[in-house]
Amino acid sequence: EVHLAESGGGLIQPGGSLRLSCVASGFTVTSDYMNWVRQPPGKGLEWLSVTYGAIWSGRTYYADSVKGRFAVTRDTSKNRLFLQMNSLGAEDTAIYYCARGMGVFDSWGQGTLVTVSS
Amino acid sequence: EIVMTQSPATLSVSPGGRATLSCRASQSIGSNLTWYQQKPGQAPTILISGASTRATGIAARFSGSGSGAEFTLTINSLQSEDLAVYYCQQSTNWPWTFGQGTKVEIK
Repeated sequence: EVHLAESGGGLIQPGGSLRLSCVASGFTVTSDYMNWVRQPPGKGLEWLSVTYGAIWSGRTYYADSVKGRFAVTRDTSKNRLFLQMNSLGAEDTAIYYCARGMGVFDSWGQGTLVTVSS
Repeated sequence: EIVMTQSPATLSVSPGGRATLSCRASQSIGSNLTWYQQKPGQAPTILISGASTRATGIAARFSGSGSGAEFTLTINSLQSEDLAVYYCQQSTNWPWTFGQGTKVEIK
């Protein structure tokens, strides 16, 4: 059974950095497409990034809203995906989800809340 | 960027009734349209992909239709457990984009 679980959220001051983690089970993150999607409190969903499986290049593509500030890495030994977030602003306050799939997100984690506030 | 527009914002339906949700794309997306359900306090889950293919385990009372730029999600025989926000999402072009959601309320 596929399962995703995010962690690492919390309260961070504007301008700060945070690293989120997404641990996967039931499949291998390096052989699939992995995404980050966020949802500001009470609002809709915004796709942030997709990381291709290693056999397809392993590259990551980002939405313009986070390009240059956010970076995705993988820990293959622990089947984990990370989202490094830098230069955070109030507009980055949201629940962050990892999700599997190439354009169609068939599995989602429960999300982790990031609050950017002084 | 392809803009996805959903209507109505809120839909109130009696138990056993039918809910019809609309989703419009700012340009043609073929059948690259997915519907998600997000129940209160939960993560989204996939309902329908390819505009009309139900995901594994999804009840037959959920159906999707449309192609190009106009899409519809229909929920027949609405049940209390269907209380949720429903999102459409296109996967034709990056960035993949979602509609703003339709909230289905039970009368």
